[in-house]
Amino acid sequence: GEDVEQSLFLSVREGDSSVINCTYTDSSSTYLYWYKQEPGAGLQLLTYIFSNMDMKQDQRLTVLLNKKDKHLSLRIADTQTGDSAIYFCAESIGGGYQKVTFGIGTKLQVIP
Amino acid sequence: EAQVTQNPRYLITVTGKKLTVTCSQNMNHEYMSWYRQDPGLGLRQIYYSMNVEVTDKGDVPEGYKVSRKEKRNFPLILESPSPNQTSLYFCASSPYGQNNEQFFGPGTRLTVL
Repeated sequence: GEDVEQSLFLSVREGDSSVINCTYTDSSSTYLYWYKQEPGAGLQLLTYIFSNMDMKQDQRLTVLLNKKDKHLSLRIADTQTGDSAIYFCAESIGGGYQKVTFGIGTKLQVIP
Repeated sequence: EAQVTQNPRYLITVTGKKLTVTCSQNMNHEYMSWYRQDPGLGLRQIYYSMNVEVTDKGDVPEGYKVSRKEKRNFPLILESPSPNQTSLYFCASSPYGQNNEQFFGPGTRLTVL
């Protein structure tokens, strides 16, 4: 079955780069996502990557996908205090409607 | 404004007292889902619905019921709540096609005493 794993916590200094890692088990994943949850709020889609891509860049965000190792990473350049949040990795599998499985979330703490 | 709304946002209740958490979306999305979020366990899917009158169990459906009589609404029903259902609950909706992005509600924090 599907399983998505990520570390629980990451602490970085303001201005540094953050790298949040995720591993998944299902090789038939179609899309892989990063969602952001700010304190007291629901999740919001931050970015996503289609499974036939290796990399996607969107302003300060870079997503890297290594299909061989089933490893997904999110790099945030020039991390700001406003980036402090919980980041969830997620995968969807199959065609048509796709069930989405979420990881447990990585809490990013940005130190001023 | 396109959004998913949930009510109530906070609820404290007692064991065995039936309750309903409402969820409504105004984006005409076919797919809706309920999740619970618990520390160390992340988000776990309770039930989902692919369209009106079509619902299915997620990963943790025990103790919950849902209905989908209209496209916009997807209420979560706890017939006899127990303390292990104390959690943060999120409703989400998604259109078919595209990248299956899910749009989340603001959450309902439920405490069962």
